[in-house]
Amino acid sequence: SQQGEEDPQALSIQEGENATMNCSYKTSINNLQWYRQNSGRGLVHLILIRSNEREKHSGRLRVTLDTSKKSSSLLITASRAADTASYFCATYGEGGSEKLVFGKGTKLTVNP
Amino acid sequence: DTAVSQTPKYLVTQMGNDKSIKCEQNLGHDTMYWYKQDSKKFLKIMFSYNNKELIINETVPNRFSPKSPDKAHLNLHINSLELGDSAVYFCASSQAGRVTYGYTFGSGTRLTVV
Repeated sequence: SQQGEEDPQALSIQEGENATMNCSYKTSINNLQWYRQNSGRGLVHLILIRSNEREKHSGRLRVTLDTSKKSSSLLITASRAADTASYFCATYGEGGSEKLVFGKGTKLTVNP
Repeated sequence: DTAVSQTPKYLVTQMGNDKSIKCEQNLGHDTMYWYKQDSKKFLKIMFSYNNKELIINETVPNRFSPKSPDKAHLNLHINSLELGDSAVYFCASSQAGRVTYGYTFGSGTRLTVV
């Protein structure tokens, strides 16, 4: 069953602007991950945040996690045309369930 | 060096046929997965193998049968293909146990059933 719900479904911005995508989930998690998928390609792992972490950075990416609200956000700063892709959040549950459950994704378009 | 490679990349076939998709990873990971991505980009896990042992088998028709000859390979065989099987199928791998580094995905196999 689907776990994460990304918001917005689609986002269009200009190069240089920041892009924020949100993800909400339903059940307790061990960690939450963000992936990027370029058109016609596979998914690429961007960043993982554990349930006991609140914020994590990787280059131009900043991820926050609020377990009380069961939500996460991905911020891409100073966006570039090459950031155009679909972004998915995925949750890894507690209890030993060995699977990553993906949300529906946010399609980001960065206009040059 | 492709970490997770799938073949073929494209597969067009008629209803009722049987087809296989192959996946190989050279990362030394113990766990491999098959995901299906539908036309709305929704990704759903189908199967997971850990060191050749099936550990996840989601609600998937019996026409789909995974096979893992060794921990570096996970193939997907589909019998009696139906129109609804048209999708992109992704293979992925990860370290065994708790996921701490994320999954590595292949580039996908676009299956079109006509």
